[in-house]
Amino acid sequence: AQSVAQPEDQVNVAEGNPLTVKCTYSVSGNPYLFWYVQYPNRGLQFLLKYITGDNLVKGSYGFEAEFNKSQTSFHLKKPSALVSDSALYFCAVVDNFNKFYFGSGTKLNVKP
Amino acid sequence: ETGVTQTPRHLVMGMTNKKSLKCEQHLGHNAMYWYKQSAKKPLELMFVYSLEERVENNSVPSRFSPECPNSSHLFLHLHTLQPEDSALYLCASSQARTASYEQYFGPGTRLTVT
Repeated sequence: AQSVAQPEDQVNVAEGNPLTVKCTYSVSGNPYLFWYVQYPNRGLQFLLKYITGDNLVKGSYGFEAEFNKSQTSFHLKKPSALVSDSALYFCAVVDNFNKFYFGSGTKLNVKP
Repeated sequence: ETGVTQTPRHLVMGMTNKKSLKCEQHLGHNAMYWYKQSAKKPLELMFVYSLEERVENNSVPSRFSPECPNSSHLFLHLHTLQPEDSALYLCASSQARTASYEQYFGPGTRLTVT
């Protein structure tokens, strides 16, 4: 079955340290990959996407993600975390039939 | 953040009530979506509309009935819901129903079924 996995329910990191939020997928073909962020009492906001080309994608608020086809992963990264980055992060994958698959979300806690 | 609006933001309803959720997008998009968000579960895509035509219905119970009167408005009509239907219902839109386009989400309606 096609799926998206975010193996960590929660990630804790100190402000100023690098952060990584993991995402792996099991979707056939050449899927498109997305990261979204959700702040409390808000809808999801688009951060970045991989369609084709360079495996390292840069997005909003200093976030970036690296597509690794062999490991079927699309981990979200940021070199230096801010307290304001604390939120819920969702990985999403869209297959070649426009079918959407979302992960269950990872709560990022950035402590001062 | 005002690109996609949803009303009401909070709704409490009994199992025998009938209510409707409303979504409006001001982005000129052609595709609209309803999602159900429950704690610690993946977002569940419920319905997809493209150019006002329903193109996807992901095994959603008939007590949920969507309506898309035009490309800017999307409704979710609710009747005889169950307590397990309590969740955050999110509306989203995208430029087209094509995999490469990102979606823009509304703030959601927090639904509680008593």
